[in-house]
Amino acid sequence: KAGVTQTPRYLIKTRGQQVTLSCSPISGHRSVSWYQQTPGQGLQFLFEYFSETQRNKGNFPGRFSGRQFSNSRSEMNVSTLELGDSALYLCASSSRGEGYGYTFGSGTRLTVV
Amino acid sequence: GENVEQHPSTLSVQEGDSAVIKCTYSDSASNYFPWYKQELGKRPQLIIDIRSNVGEKKDQRIAVTLNKTAKHFSLHITETQPEDSAVYFCAASVSSTNKLIFGTGTLLAVQP
Repeated sequence: KAGVTQTPRYLIKTRGQQVTLSCSPISGHRSVSWYQQTPGQGLQFLFEYFSETQRNKGNFPGRFSGRQFSNSRSEMNVSTLELGDSALYLCASSSRGEGYGYTFGSGTRLTVV
Repeated sequence: GENVEQHPSTLSVQEGDSAVIKCTYSDSASNYFPWYKQELGKRPQLIIDIRSNVGEKKDQRIAVTLNKTAKHFSLHITETQPEDSAVYFCAASVSSTNKLIFGTGTLLAVQP
């Protein structure tokens, strides 16, 4: 069974640009969550989608948005990139959508220059 | 607001010794407590989890204990091995919210 797949693995963007990250959950998993990991702030919750609906959102500015498609694949978009957005972005999927047993992908390393 | 404190931030033990990492959560509604292991450059991997209706759970050399009254939970690793070296994260969530609040991580180094 394939794991959680995130693409691309690495990205370098310039301040002011926008970026889209992709996450394909484990087959059959309907819940996808996104987290930002930085050395200073650790792992912080961005948002969670279940059956194409955003159910929860963390304390991030509106520049961070996401969506989920009918096949459960999810995308995260960051507009007007800032240097502080440089981080490892992780997505995690779960079958039950009840917050149990999330499996993480390998992440997308975003560097903003 | 929701918060999870994790101690210690670094832990060095000799191979074969035990290691204990402790976490405290603030939201009394939290009912799910997973632990993740993250090796350098790799994704966090779930190693054990516990729900609030259970006080202790064990899986081979790894165990987790939960004290709901004190809002504490701990990870215990016995007979540590060099391959246990990694960063360990605790987390807490109210399962219905599907939102994990993570601790700041513990860098465990097992010296051969």
